[in-house]
Amino acid sequence: KQEVTQIPAALSVPEGENLVLNCSFTDSAIYNLQWFRQDPGKGLTSLLLIQSSQREQTSGRLNASLDKSSGRSTLYIAASQPGDSATYLCAVRIQGAQKLVFGQGTRLTINP
Amino acid sequence: SAVISQKPSRDICQRGTSLTIQCQVDSQVTMMFWYRQQPGQSLTLIATANQGSEATYESGFVIDKFPISRPNLTFSTLTVSNMSPEDSSIYLCSVEGANGVTDTQYFGPGTRLTVL
Repeated sequence: KQEVTQIPAALSVPEGENLVLNCSFTDSAIYNLQWFRQDPGKGLTSLLLIQSSQREQTSGRLNASLDKSSGRSTLYIAASQPGDSATYLCAVRIQGAQKLVFGQGTRLTINP
Repeated sequence: SAVISQKPSRDICQRGTSLTIQCQVDSQVTMMFWYRQQPGQSLTLIATANQGSEATYESGFVIDKFPISRPNLTFSTLTVSNMSPEDSSIYLCSVEGANGVTDTQYFGPGTRLTVL
């Protein structure tokens, strides 16, 4: 059974810092991995998707990496801003299924 | 991406009643899903809504409790039946295959349900 873990559960940093969010998964037989952002009381916004054959994806100040063999992904946020404050979720899609398995999320606070 | 709307956005209901949540997409999609996010928890898939046939439920979820309809390629409903306080959650609809984009799931804004 695929399990996804995100560390840390919460993170608070001053504005302008670069930071890394971690995601690990137990079964390396994944189809892809997706990072989402969730604002309080809202739905999910897709940030980046990495296919199992890829090593990383970039969008603006965000960079996501994937090491399938070790069961890890990281989301790097450069030059953080208060508007980046949200909960960040990673989800893996299992091979042969459309189901996404989510981690518990990292609640990020960027202090002005 | 796809523009997804859900109705209602939130509701407060009495135990023993039922609530139907609607999900509307602005384009035809191949797959539609319903997830639940209990307070302080992450998302769990309830079922895959199949067009023209019965939904496919995940372990721990049953049709009598969560009946789902999907009459066409842009619309689905989830009913939470005979509600109890344990059903208080955010319910989210997601889609895949909008505008030919596969592999990426897009989520609606969610329906926040409180059961008293």
